[in-house]
Amino acid sequence: DQQVKQNSPSLSVQEGRISILNCDYTNSMFDYFLWYKKYPAEGPTFLISISSIKDKNEDGRFTVFLNKSAKHLSLHIVPSQPGDSAVYFCAASTTGTYKYIFGTGTRLKVLA
Amino acid sequence: GAVVSQHPSRVICKSGTSVKIECRSLDFQATTMFWYRQFPKQSLMLMATSNEGSKATYEQGVEKDKFLINHASLTLSTLTVTSAHPEDSSFYICSASVGQAINSPLHFGNGTRLTVT
Repeated sequence: DQQVKQNSPSLSVQEGRISILNCDYTNSMFDYFLWYKKYPAEGPTFLISISSIKDKNEDGRFTVFLNKSAKHLSLHIVPSQPGDSAVYFCAASTTGTYKYIFGTGTRLKVLA
Repeated sequence: GAVVSQHPSRVICKSGTSVKIECRSLDFQATTMFWYRQFPKQSLMLMATSNEGSKATYEQGVEKDKFLINHASLTLSTLTVTSAHPEDSSFYICSASVGQAINSPLHFGNGTRLTVT
């Protein structure tokens, strides 16, 4: 039972364009969502998070959008840079716990 | 920024031996650390929650006698894979929360690639 899904295993984007990574969840108890970036043989690096009381959170080039009714969140990277090439994981949890449920990741490749 | 250090980064061991993985919070104290496991091309799966000074809490399906966790200080948690078998080969990652707020994000170590031959 995959509670957090990233249906696109890979995505290629031209440098300077927008990258949109998507994530869907099924558990309505989730109220805290995060995006992590991961390079091979390294641990995930925290990028940005959003609480369910918001529908948007922005940090520099990264913006996370949350659509609670659709149980969907997305990460927008604008403009995309070659250094953004990595695997991106979304994660979800319930406030007060650190039981992060991770998606299976989307490999982003930004082409120069 | 918060740093979680994990050691070793890579280990190869023979079947039947035990391997210890260390996870340290370098510039903050972590009363709770978390151990994850990642199989190739799969998501990170929480194995257990390591609590300083008390027993770890294991997720369903994780054998606590197989994966021994010790959290003896506020900056160190260890995971010992006992009597390792080839199916234990995986990428193990620890994490810790830096802030005191309920929703402080977890920060992860760089992981340990375990290969059991």
